[in-house]
Amino acid sequence: QVQLQESGPGQVKPSQTLSLTCSVSGGSISISGHYWSWIRHPPGKGLEWIGNIFYSGATYYQPSLESRITISLDTTKNQFSLTLSSVTAADTAVYYCARLYSGYAGDAFDIWGQGRDVTVSS
Amino acid sequence: SELTQDPAVSVAVGQTVTITCQGDSLRNSYASWYQKKPGQAPLFVVYGKNYRPSGIPERFSSSRSGNTASLIISGALAEDEADYYCNSRDSSTNLYVFGSGTKVTVL
Repeated sequence: QVQLQESGPGQVKPSQTLSLTCSVSGGSISISGHYWSWIRHPPGKGLEWIGNIFYSGATYYQPSLESRITISLDTTKNQFSLTLSSVTAADTAVYYCARLYSGYAGDAFDIWGQGRDVTVSS
Repeated sequence: SELTQDPAVSVAVGQTVTITCQGDSLRNSYASWYQKKPGQAPLFVVYGKNYRPSGIPERFSSSRSGNTASLIISGALAEDEADYYCNSRDSSTNLYVFGSGTKVTVL
């Protein structure tokens, strides 16, 4: 059974870089047919898709964040990561990593991590 | 690409509630639906042409017509009180978007 777990600092100073890692257990991150995703939930707002990475390394980013984000894979550690640069208070959110299934029947974020609460504050 | 949902709906216990999601991307892609309770990770409840993951009750179902996707909860229970979000892929860009979310209150 595949499980995901986010890790990283819970507080980041304004203008600095937020870095989070998602550790995948119970299955390989290199399996085709799955994307690995980051999604965030700012307080009082809705869910926001941040971006995906395919097992091949291909990435797809939220246009409004594209200039500040990088999503990468580490197949040796079975992990994927998010970096978000030049953070502001608007980046305060619970950050989730998730597996995205994409197939003939449709797409779905079928497995989620527990979430990492990140606050941007000096 | 945007997905629009009604901010809030209410339903009496045992009754049926339909949550809608509108957007141009839904003409070419199916929606997936997520239940979000405070302090918990989102729970994937329905996707595609009405497919439920294992463990999700049959009272959750979905449909699509034109640019509108719907999540139907038939025989709502108190435990179904939550925020519900739709999501779909823009087939032209391969980018994803979440709906604005609907708060469901079970009376």
